[in-house]
Amino acid sequence: GENVEQHPSTLSVQEGDSAVIKCTYSDSASNYFPWYKQELGKRPQLIIDIRSNVGEKKDQRIAVTLNKTAKHFSLHITETQPEDSAVYFCAASSGAGSYQLTFGKGTKLSVIP
Amino acid sequence: DSGVTQTPKHLITATGQRVTLRCSPRSGDLSVYWYQQSLDQGLQFLIQYYNGEERAKGNILERFSAQQFPDLHSELNLSSLELGDSALYFCASSVAGSGREQFFGPGTRLTVL
Repeated sequence: GENVEQHPSTLSVQEGDSAVIKCTYSDSASNYFPWYKQELGKRPQLIIDIRSNVGEKKDQRIAVTLNKTAKHFSLHITETQPEDSAVYFCAASSGAGSYQLTFGKGTKLSVIP
Repeated sequence: DSGVTQTPKHLITATGQRVTLRCSPRSGDLSVYWYQQSLDQGLQFLIQYYNGEERAKGNILERFSAQQFPDLHSELNLSSLELGDSALYFCASSVAGSGREQFFGPGTRLTVL
């Protein structure tokens, strides 16, 4: 089955700096890669996603890049703000009959004011 | 608010007992996914239903079962509960066909004493 590795497990940045979180996946059939943000005690919230026919996608301060050959994808957050502090999860889905998500272990991002 | 609802919010019970968690998907969504989130295992896919039928199974124990009803709400039944079953249980829903985005409910926090 699919295996998703996520790094780093914790990340501290100064407000205004950029943050980068990286994930690798094992199943070459995977073709959908969402990112979720989870604040303490709350639901995972979809913040951005990318499909395998696209190399990069941006939405204001966040962007995701995908390298299918290397089987890795990354989340980039620019001009970080204290409200960006949360746990971020990457995930992968093969779409082969089911769109179940396999998640990475998460990255705890702390933005220091 | 994602539009996915889950009840109850919290559940405290004893080992050996049985509980039922309920999920109502977003209006129009035919797929329901159940995930378990624990500190040591992260977010893990349990089972998916699509329009009343089981579509995929993940790391779901034999003591756990689920179903999706004609009105598309879903229930996750957990029996012979053990201390290790204490976790957050999320359901997520998505539209069939080309829709891949999964939207999570607020979760049910289960504590087994």
